[in-house]
Amino acid sequence: ILNVEQSPQSLHVQEGDSTNFTCSFPSSNFYALHWYRWETAKSPEALFVMTLNGDEKKKGRISATLNTKEGYSYLYIKGSQPEDSATYLCVAGGTSYGKLTFGQGTILTVHP
Amino acid sequence: EAGVAQSPRYKIIEKRQSVAFWCNPISGHATLYWYQQILGQGPKLLIQFQNNGVVDDSQLPKDRFSAERLKGVDSTLKIQPAKLEDSAVYLCASSLKTSRETQYFGPGTRLLVL
Repeated sequence: ILNVEQSPQSLHVQEGDSTNFTCSFPSSNFYALHWYRWETAKSPEALFVMTLNGDEKKKGRISATLNTKEGYSYLYIKGSQPEDSATYLCVAGGTSYGKLTFGQGTILTVHP
Repeated sequence: EAGVAQSPRYKIIEKRQSVAFWCNPISGHATLYWYQQILGQGPKLLIQFQNNGVVDDSQLPKDRFSAERLKGVDSTLKIQPAKLEDSAVYLCASSLKTSRETQYFGPGTRLLVL
């Protein structure tokens, strides 16, 4: 089982603040890393899939970077809004790299 | 495009009873996943199918859990007999081909075992 860790576990920010979280994973035999947003009572929503070292992806105010050599990914949210409040999950794994393993998630709460 | 469908949405059973969950993935998606998400933890992969073959079921408690995807389309996950610790959200997801692609999740089935 891969060791996928996310930090912080939870985060409270004010509307308009920018924030970022970290996902760390084993760097050897890396295959793929996904970020998902999971709002209460809804299905997890895919944000990004990244496979190459140095990948940077952007979707509106949310962006992510990937460093496969050191085994981490950052997720950034610029100008947080209350509707960004959710649990942000990263998942690594696939084929010989190891089974798909989710981190425990970062719970983001954005206060108006 | 229709999303991943799951039923039922909620289920309450007593321990030692049996329960089955159903999932219909997005049309054309070869890979189907079942996850168990216990409160406070990230989802845990129970089983991954590619078409009707099992890719990974190493974390499936095979003494009580079983899953099938007979025609390579929809899938059922069964628990028999259920234990208290099986209370969780059971998520089904599908992706086009491999786990390198985006997974699309269904709404989940919330199971409570009393």
